[in-house]
Amino acid sequence: DTGVSQNPRHKITKRGQNVTFRCDPISEHNRLYWYRQTLGQGPEFLTYFQNEAQLEKSRLLSDRFSAERPKGSFSTLEIQRTEQGDSAMYLCASSLWGGPINQPQHFGDGTRLSIL
Amino acid sequence: GENVEQHPSTLSVQEGDSAVIKCTYSDSASNYFPWYKQELGKRPQLIIDIRSNVGEKKDQRIAVTLNKTAKHFSLHITETQPEDSAVYFCAAIVSGQNFVFGPGTRLSVLP
Repeated sequence: DTGVSQNPRHKITKRGQNVTFRCDPISEHNRLYWYRQTLGQGPEFLTYFQNEAQLEKSRLLSDRFSAERPKGSFSTLEIQRTEQGDSAMYLCASSLWGGPINQPQHFGDGTRLSIL
Repeated sequence: GENVEQHPSTLSVQEGDSAVIKCTYSDSASNYFPWYKQELGKRPQLIIDIRSNVGEKKDQRIAVTLNKTAKHFSLHITETQPEDSAVYFCAAIVSGQNFVFGPGTRLSVLP
């Protein structure tokens, strides 16, 4: 078990471009979460999946953001028409949900996005 | 929905002293409370967690206490060491729902 893996580690792009990040969760984990973290702040929830189903999406999430988990394993997060304010660390986490008891999340190293 | 507050935002202690970080939550249905440590440039790492059916949990120098009536929980680090310096985040979760994190506490342990 190599833990949660995220690619790329860093992404630099010009404003207006589209970017896509990938997250590979711990293999037996059925839940996958995306967060955004800016300097000095806690992780801000974006969206999460149980298997391939997207169960919740933050109300703060612009429609430029979309996430998928087509086969219930890896997930992608796409940001279209990037803006300066999108610059942040994008963290992925996974956990095992078997109900009704929550299990801890395990985080990846994140993808740092810088918009020029 | 759930809202988590965390205090203090920064904390400096002398090596060997204790550090206490407190979090409050709003949703009385929350039943799981993890704490994460994040060193600069690294991923958040789970250090301890507590469920709503217990009031205290200890793991060596780290302990967490939970007061469900007051809706607050605290992280206690004893005999602090320089390697404890990091940002600490609390979180609160309603069963089956997403994790809501506090804004973090930057702990500095001074030699």
